[in-house]
Amino acid sequence: NAGVTQTPKFQVLKTGQSMTLQCAQDMNHNSMYWYRQDPGMGLRLIYYSASEGTTDKGEVPNGYNVSRLNKREFSLRLESAAPSQTSVYFCASSEWGRGSYNEQFFGPGTRLTVL
Amino acid sequence: DAKTTQPTSMDCAEGRAANLPCNHSTISGNEYVYWYRQIHSQGPQYIIHGLKNNETNEMASLIITEDRKSSTLILPHATLRDTAVYYCIVRAPGNQFYFGTGTSLTVIP
Repeated sequence: NAGVTQTPKFQVLKTGQSMTLQCAQDMNHNSMYWYRQDPGMGLRLIYYSASEGTTDKGEVPNGYNVSRLNKREFSLRLESAAPSQTSVYFCASSEWGRGSYNEQFFGPGTRLTVL
Repeated sequence: DAKTTQPTSMDCAEGRAANLPCNHSTISGNEYVYWYRQIHSQGPQYIIHGLKNNETNEMASLIITEDRKSSTLILPHATLRDTAVYYCIVRAPGNQFYFGTGTSLTVIP
């Protein structure tokens, strides 16, 4: 049981390049999330998927797109990377709808640098 | 969701109890208090949550005041591995988690 996995762990891009961050969970959770964390700051929600087939914007969605490929996988795409997107990206999952208890499980993060 | 206020940093001696305060004076009746921590820029880890009663698990205790406007996370016997950033989050069921900047706890040998 690996929990939440993310690939790659590290990535360096040039401005204007595109890439996709991958996330997978093996806990049969309904909901998945993408956060970013800038140095010295808390996490900010980019996009989330409450259930398979649905996605919604979070606090900072501009410059990103997401795909909920199936129940296990939720990818984050940067179409044209900018230096402002240099950050650590965390994926998380949770079992939505289990009353009010909704613990989120986080992956190890992807450290992205845009030059 | 209600906002939270936490001290920026705290120190605690190893083996002593670490008491981390959180103010959430605008909390609503259906909002829960959650605590997460983040060690060395790893992904955040769930610690505990509660509504109005005090809660305890194998990691920590959560004390919520009667008016629910503040809470305290207690790590009963802090170890060096408890050095981390601790986030207090107030959230209504079905809503998203909003992480602030948290409290940076340093456990001193």
